[in-house]
Amino acid sequence: NAGVMQNPRHLVRRRGQEARLRCSPMKGHSHVYWYRQLPEEGLKFMVYLQKENIIDESGMPKERFSAEFPKEGPSILRIQQVVRGDSAAYFCASSAGQGANQPQHFGDGTRLSIL
Amino acid sequence: AQTVTQSQPEMSVQEAETVTLSCTYDTSESDYYLFWYKQPPSRQMILVIRQEAYKQQNATENRFSVNFQKAAKSFSLKISDSQLGDAAMYFCAYNNFGNEKLTFGTGTRLTIIP
Repeated sequence: NAGVMQNPRHLVRRRGQEARLRCSPMKGHSHVYWYRQLPEEGLKFMVYLQKENIIDESGMPKERFSAEFPKEGPSILRIQQVVRGDSAAYFCASSAGQGANQPQHFGDGTRLSIL
Repeated sequence: AQTVTQSQPEMSVQEAETVTLSCTYDTSESDYYLFWYKQPPSRQMILVIRQEAYKQQNATENRFSVNFQKAAKSFSLKISDSQLGDAAMYFCAYNNFGNEKLTFGTGTRLTIIP
């Protein structure tokens, strides 16, 4: 039973380019969460999605960042016109439902580096 | 807004000994969940243990146990018989019942001394 799959593992972009990060949840999971981890810090919530719906995007920057979780295919976190400050590790988590009985399982993360 | 505080940036323990990692949190909610996650050098986030706030009994998972003090808003992690594989960053996390986003502390780096 495969876990949460994120790709790529590492992504290098130049300032001004676009970054696309992919997340395939665990089989049977329909809830996806994105978190960002800056160096030497804890994870910060960005967005919570269910299939085709954004449930909570309170942690998402208002500009340049977007997320989707289509009916078919992985969830995508998209960062347009990247800047140096976007360099971070981006983690995706998935769960089968809500509550502690349905804990979030994390992928290995995508490390984004901006040149 | 909820906050989670880990006041120990680094801890070390001799192999086979016991260590306790501290975590406090601030919330006005009565129903919530608390978690400890482990992040080894590979950077995976691994769920170690979880606690529902309405349960008075402290959670236990093998060598890992918590001391949950709801009135004090404290949630410490005790690791017994420490092993080299326990070396990692440990993050305390919180979420409200019905609100699925996790709020993390800044982490404690645990070193195991052989």
